[in-house]
Amino acid sequence: DIQMTQSPSSLSASIGDRVTITCRASQSITNYLNWYQQKPGKAPKFLIYAASDLQSGVPSRFSGSGSGTDFTLTISTLQPEDFATYYCQQSYSNPLTFGGGTKVEIK
Amino acid sequence: EVQLVESGGGLVQPGGSLRLSCAAAGFTFSSYWMNWVRQAPGKGLEWVANIREDGSEKDYVDSVKGRFTISRDNANNSLYLQMDSLRADDTAVYYCARRGGSTSCYAGYCHYYYHMDAWGEGTTVTVSS
Repeated sequence: DIQMTQSPSSLSASIGDRVTITCRASQSITNYLNWYQQKPGKAPKFLIYAASDLQSGVPSRFSGSGSGTDFTLTISTLQPEDFATYYCQQSYSNPLTFGGGTKVEIK
Repeated sequence: EVQLVESGGGLVQPGGSLRLSCAAAGFTFSSYWMNWVRQAPGKGLEWVANIREDGSEKDYVDSVKGRFTISRDNANNSLYLQMDSLRADDTAVYYCARRGGSTSCYAGYCHYYYHMDAWGEGTTVTVSS
């Protein structure tokens, strides 16, 4: 199974900050990497596929990069509605696996 | 509008059974693979199982193999998860999620990428005596 490791597990940031979250795969997944956002008590929301392609309707302040084993999700200018937990997920092979999540909190 | 609505969760004793349902609307259900994903209290997301459009192919995470069965009824736009021999560590919110796909191209090469592009709000399963 492919293990996905996210860091940090949580971070505190202010409105307007640039935020970067890292996701590492235990083996190469080329760019078969998705990102999701989850707010408390809600279902996850799909944000990014193929490591860097934004789902339709996702604000352009979100961006993704990386390939192989190392990936990042960046929020260029943090907005109030961006405080949430973010998960990476590999779609390279079954079993599909998620990272442990990164909680973005208000400083 | 795509809608996925889970039901069937509840409190069950260890060793017991439960059948979850997911009602789909707003898209051609029979054209999509479907997934079950769970989230234990205060924990991250865990993929549980998925099923091909026509039900002919299924896969499971190791921890539920032999205990859980995924199925679907395309005539009624419904997805199911039969859960047997339940354990305390199966306690979680269970989500159904549609497997979407998108094409991405780079340097003249294009590939198809799968993701979970629509989710229900989840149903809670608690396994406890």
